[in-house]
Amino acid sequence: SQQGEEDPQALSIQEGENATMNCSYKTSINNLQWYRQNSGRGLVHLILIRSNEREKHSGRLRVTLDTSKKSSSLLITASRAADTASYFCATDKSGTYKYIFGTGTRLKVLA
Amino acid sequence: DAGVIQSPRHEVTEMGQEVTLRCKPISGHDYLFWYRQTMMRGLELLIYFNNNVPIDDSGMPEDRFSAKMPNASFSTLKIQPSEPRDSAVYFCASSFGTGRTGELFFGEGSRLTVL
Repeated sequence: SQQGEEDPQALSIQEGENATMNCSYKTSINNLQWYRQNSGRGLVHLILIRSNEREKHSGRLRVTLDTSKKSSSLLITASRAADTASYFCATDKSGTYKYIFGTGTRLKVLA
Repeated sequence: DAGVIQSPRHEVTEMGQEVTLRCKPISGHDYLFWYRQTMMRGLELLIYFNNNVPIDDSGMPEDRFSAKMPNASFSTLKIQPSEPRDSAVYFCASSFGTGRTGELFFGEGSRLTVL
């Protein structure tokens, strides 16, 4: 299976701290995306990084991609209680548009 | 735009009954995906369409599951007969094809409980 594995499975931090979550995948990809899911809701796109990019920023989000290690990380800086959610990476196998999601990281930010 | 619209939001049915889930993608999107989410198995891709044509249905669990996309604005996922192990949240997502942003837009999901 191409499904990505994310770690940690769960993360609990204090408001204002940074949160880092990691994603590993198995095959060559075109893009890697990160999504957020609040409890009981659909997934919302956060950021996309292409296979020829190494780092990308969007507001308080920083994503890195290491294609040699088949891994990515998502950093949320200065976390807020509203960042409490599950975060998923998604990869599309090269030559396809088939997006497979990782197992997710449950982030809890304590006020 | 109203986003991806799924119905019903909640469905409770008895084992053996037919279940039909519906999805209206965002206008202009040419890809449509059906995912299933459970605690045990996470988010699983069931099937995806491009320009209304099924491209990959390798994730469909068994013959009891079928999906159709009769036109660009409507898709259905049908389970017949349903079983308790089909209980899950089913998500529909749509997107522009590669070459644009590649971002998937998800609906709010259909929570299915099979008793």
